[in-house]
Amino acid sequence: NAGVTQTPKFQVLKTGQSMTLQCAQDMNHEYMSWYRQDPGMGLRLIHYSVGAGITDQGEVPNGYNVSRSTTEDFPLRLLSAAPSQTSVYFCASSYDRVEKLFFGSGTQLSVL
Amino acid sequence: QKEVEQDPGPLSVPEGAIVSLNCTYSNSAFQYFMWYRQYSRKGPELLMYTYSSGNKEDGRFTAQVDKSSKYISLFIRDSQPSDSATYLCAMSAYGNAGNMLTFGGGTRLMVKP
Repeated sequence: NAGVTQTPKFQVLKTGQSMTLQCAQDMNHEYMSWYRQDPGMGLRLIHYSVGAGITDQGEVPNGYNVSRSTTEDFPLRLLSAAPSQTSVYFCASSYDRVEKLFFGSGTQLSVL
Repeated sequence: QKEVEQDPGPLSVPEGAIVSLNCTYSNSAFQYFMWYRQYSRKGPELLMYTYSSGNKEDGRFTAQVDKSSKYISLFIRDSQPSDSATYLCAMSAYGNAGNMLTFGGGTRLMVKP
């Protein structure tokens, strides 16, 4: 039981490049979400999904896309990377209550 | 003003001390209150989960919620070096659109042997 797995752990992009952050969970959780963590800002919700085929925007969705074709996977796409997207990204999932989140180990992204 | 305020620290205490970590909030609709612990370069992990006002105890950890003052606390008894981490408070309102948690910025705790 691996929990929530995120890849890659580190990534450096140039402004304007696109990429996909991968997230997979093996706990059969319906709820999955993406957060970004910036110093002093806490964790902020980017997008979330309450089940396969269903996604919605969080607090800071601009510049990011998501899709949920299976229960297990919830990739986050950066369409055209900007320096403001330099952050640590966490994927999190939950079985029953959104408050009881299981987090992945994070992806540290730098956009130059 | 942020919706949830948390002193960033760092808070440095000797091993065995009682630690008090706190958050204040402004949204009276919050009903669920959580504490997450985050070790360096790791994802947060849920430590305590409480609903509405009152106390909840789990081993050396006690979570306290005072909704009238919009103030929550986490107490750690007999602190250990392994408790050194960043502690994030988080809150949500029942039926909140988007099922969003609102996190504090985190308090960094260092427990010295």
